[in-house]
Amino acid sequence: SQKIEQNSEALNIQEGKTATLTCNYTNYSPAYLQWYRQDPGRGPVFLLLIRENEKEKRKERLKVTFDTTLKQSLFHITASQPADSATYLCALGSRNYGQNFVFGPGTRLSVLP
Amino acid sequence: SAVISQKPSRDICQRGTSLTIQCQVDSQVTMMFWYRQQPGQSLTLIATANQGSEATYESGFVIDKFPISRPNLTFSTLTVSNMSPEDSSIYLCSVEASGSNNEQFFGPGTRLTVL
Repeated sequence: SQKIEQNSEALNIQEGKTATLTCNYTNYSPAYLQWYRQDPGRGPVFLLLIRENEKEKRKERLKVTFDTTLKQSLFHITASQPADSATYLCALGSRNYGQNFVFGPGTRLSVLP
Repeated sequence: SAVISQKPSRDICQRGTSLTIQCQVDSQVTMMFWYRQQPGQSLTLIATANQGSEATYESGFVIDKFPISRPNLTFSTLTVSNMSPEDSSIYLCSVEASGSNNEQFFGPGTRLTVL
């Protein structure tokens, strides 16, 4: 069955450092992968999308990589700030949107001042 | 972008009763999605609601338990029927954005507690 893992469940880093979050998947061939941010009591907010034929995407302090051979995506936040503290979710999508669109369990990031 | 509102924001219900959650979008959208997020867990897709047709349910979810209405392009409801404590969860609706990113916009969620 399809499985998505985000390691680790929680990640603590110092302000100014780069946070690296991992999303691994098995038994799935996604057409694209997305990263979302979720704050307590709120719905997820879209951050970035990367497609199966792309290696890397950047947006301001965010960088996402996608390795379909390793079945892994890395999500980096450079120059992290306490305001970056949130839960980050990866989500995998198929070509038939709405079908087989699955979220990972999330990583709770805490950026310490 | 899309702005989504949900009602109620939270509710506490008795076992065996039903609750209908409303989702309103500020623009017309083709597809709306309903998710469940159990405490400390990630999101699980319940069903896709298309206007003018029956909702499409994911494995493990059935229409009798989670009936969905989609009367127009800006509104949908999800009913949680014959509730048990295991249904305690956050229920979120979302819509797909137009454009190339396939991003979803989410409502704030409805926090349901079943006693």
